[in-house]
Amino acid sequence: GAVVSQHPSRVICKSGTSVKIECRSLDFQATTMFWYRQFPKQSLMLMATSNEGSKATYEQGVEKDKFLINHASLTLSTLTVTSAHPEDSSFYICSARDIVSWATDTQYFGPGTRLTVL
Amino acid sequence: SQQGEEDPQALSIQEGENATMNCSYKTSINNLQWYRQNSGRGLVHLILIRSNEREKHSGRLRVTLDTSKKSSSLLITASRAADTASYFCATDAGDYKLSFGAGTTVTVRA
Repeated sequence: GAVVSQHPSRVICKSGTSVKIECRSLDFQATTMFWYRQFPKQSLMLMATSNEGSKATYEQGVEKDKFLINHASLTLSTLTVTSAHPEDSSFYICSARDIVSWATDTQYFGPGTRLTVL
Repeated sequence: SQQGEEDPQALSIQEGENATMNCSYKTSINNLQWYRQNSGRGLVHLILIRSNEREKHSGRLRVTLDTSKKSSSLLITASRAADTASYFCATDAGDYKLSFGAGTTVTVRA
């Protein structure tokens, strides 16, 4: 089946530093990947849509200069949290659509990255 | 923004019993999906139901969709301890951006 990986699974950083999270589709190609954020005991909120070869589109209220997204290839999207602050501590999850499976509309989710900013 | 409301917020049942949770949404959809999330882990896709479908089955799961009421339900039959998790509905308006409900936490007691 389709597998999406994320790296790292867990990261702790100091306030003011930048953190890069990778999302990879391991056995399929994904022109579109999505980044979600989940605060403790809450639901997932869509942050942005990552498009291969073009700029990401951000949801309302998400700062594009703070959450940099790069989708350099059909199997890799990266989310960089710049100048991280404690309020950015969250669970970041990506998902990817298989470009071949237009009929299924199914997205495959990564295992998530737990970010803790001290 | 979050579209769905889920009900109940939490559910505790005995192993072998059925668990039912509901999801309501506000805008038109292309499809509605249900996911399971174990504590601190990623999402597992359970089932997708399209707007022109009314009911769908997958193993012990049964999903219904009532577009006139903008609501869906997920039934898990003959629950097992391994079904203990949070369950989320998510709607897709056709742009593949998923809008998630608040989730239902299900605890299955042995």
